[in-house]
Amino acid sequence: AQSVSQHNHHVILSEAASLELGCNYSYGGTVNLFWYVQYPGQHLQLLLKYFSGDPLVKGIKGFEAEFIKSKFSFNLRKPSVQWSDTAEYFCAVNVNFNKFYFGSGTKLNVKP
Amino acid sequence: DGGITQSPKYLFRKEGQNVTLSCEQNLNHDAMYWYRQDPGQGLRLIYYSQIVNDFQKGDIAEGYSVSREKKESFPLTVTSAQKNPTAFYLCASSKNPDEQYFGPGTRLTVT
Repeated sequence: AQSVSQHNHHVILSEAASLELGCNYSYGGTVNLFWYVQYPGQHLQLLLKYFSGDPLVKGIKGFEAEFIKSKFSFNLRKPSVQWSDTAEYFCAVNVNFNKFYFGSGTKLNVKP
Repeated sequence: DGGITQSPKYLFRKEGQNVTLSCEQNLNHDAMYWYRQDPGQGLRLIYYSQIVNDFQKGDIAEGYSVSREKKESFPLTVTSAQKNPTAFYLCASSKNPDEQYFGPGTRLTVT
């Protein structure tokens, strides 16, 4: 079945630890890829996006993601997390310029 | 300020009643979307509209209805046919296929 998979449902890290959140999708065709973040009590907001070009994209707040087409993956990374990164992170895929599909989300808890 | 407004923030209804959730945007986006967010399930698409007077069912459209009479507005009606309506509902808009902008959400509780 077509899907967006986020394998880590809940991640707990200490401040300054490195972060990598996995995202795999199973759609064919043209895909545009996104990572969104939902801080406690706030709207979902865009972290970064990939449409084409350099597969390593940089977003806000020091986040980056790498698109690996052969692996259908778009993993999110941050070298050193802060307590303020505590939030829920969602991977999303736009397929063929039509619908968006979201993963189930990863809750990140950063301990100070 | 440009953005998306959803009202109300909290909504309580008795079982068997239809309820309409409001979504308005002033971003001049053609596309609008309704999602349902449940813990551990991410965002699931209910309905979407790419242009005024046209909309398509998403993955979980049963028990819901929408209209798109104006570019700025995309109200969602949760009907009595929806078996499990208690949830957090998010509205979004975009210049498809670019990023979506989300509203603050409406938490609906049906008892």
